[in-house]
Amino acid sequence: QVQLVQSGAEVKKPGASVKVSCKASGYTFTSYYMHWVRQAPGQGLEWMGIINPSGGSTSYAQKFQGRVTMTRDTSTSTVYMELSSLRSEDTAVYYCAREGGDSSSGPTWSCDYWGQGTLVTVSS
Amino acid sequence: QSALTQPASVSGSPGQSITISCTGTSSDVGSYNLVSWYQQHPGKAPKLMIYEGSKRPSGVSNRFSGSKSGNTASLTISGLQAEDEADYYCCSYAGSSTFVFGGGTKLTVL
Repeated sequence: QVQLVQSGAEVKKPGASVKVSCKASGYTFTSYYMHWVRQAPGQGLEWMGIINPSGGSTSYAQKFQGRVTMTRDTSTSTVYMELSSLRSEDTAVYYCAREGGDSSSGPTWSCDYWGQGTLVTVSS
Repeated sequence: QSALTQPASVSGSPGQSITISCTGTSSDVGSYNLVSWYQQHPGKAPKLMIYEGSKRPSGVSNRFSGSKSGNTASLTISGLQAEDEADYYCCSYAGSSTFVFGGGTKLTVL
């Protein structure tokens, strides 16, 4: 069965960086893009970007351009999301979510499986 | 990229039907049939309920249906049940390999 297991909660100081991991299993890792979505406390979902685990290409939301980097390690079926220059407003639960369409059928631009979420707290 | 517009809250009684709207622009909802809907219970990860506007993933009840007219997409839940009480989010492809979510709607089952 498809599983996305994320790394544990983090506490960071303003100005620092955080790197969240998402280990995939139960499917062919390189056949499905991966989205990153965050949710601040009591707020809605916010799309951050997407990575193609096959070639490593990425697309980021304009809001996060220059601050976010998404990478992958095909040997461990893991994708990473690093966010730099953290501020208090970045306190949120960060989710990885698998793109619903595979490389043969094309993207459906939906997220069919989600990780359990990683709480990142930014506080001095 | 501006968030899609959803009502903050909707409510209905068990057995009734409700509809949640999701209004975007001609650059996102209006240009693509790539709207998805998610259900989120408190403290849980979102769950995909509808994709490509009106398709249901395997395992999702046929009480959930999606549609679109112009720049507005809609999620309809028929035969409302207590377990449907949750937050619902729409999402649309917005071109150039980007995605945009709605602000979310809290569904209360009376």
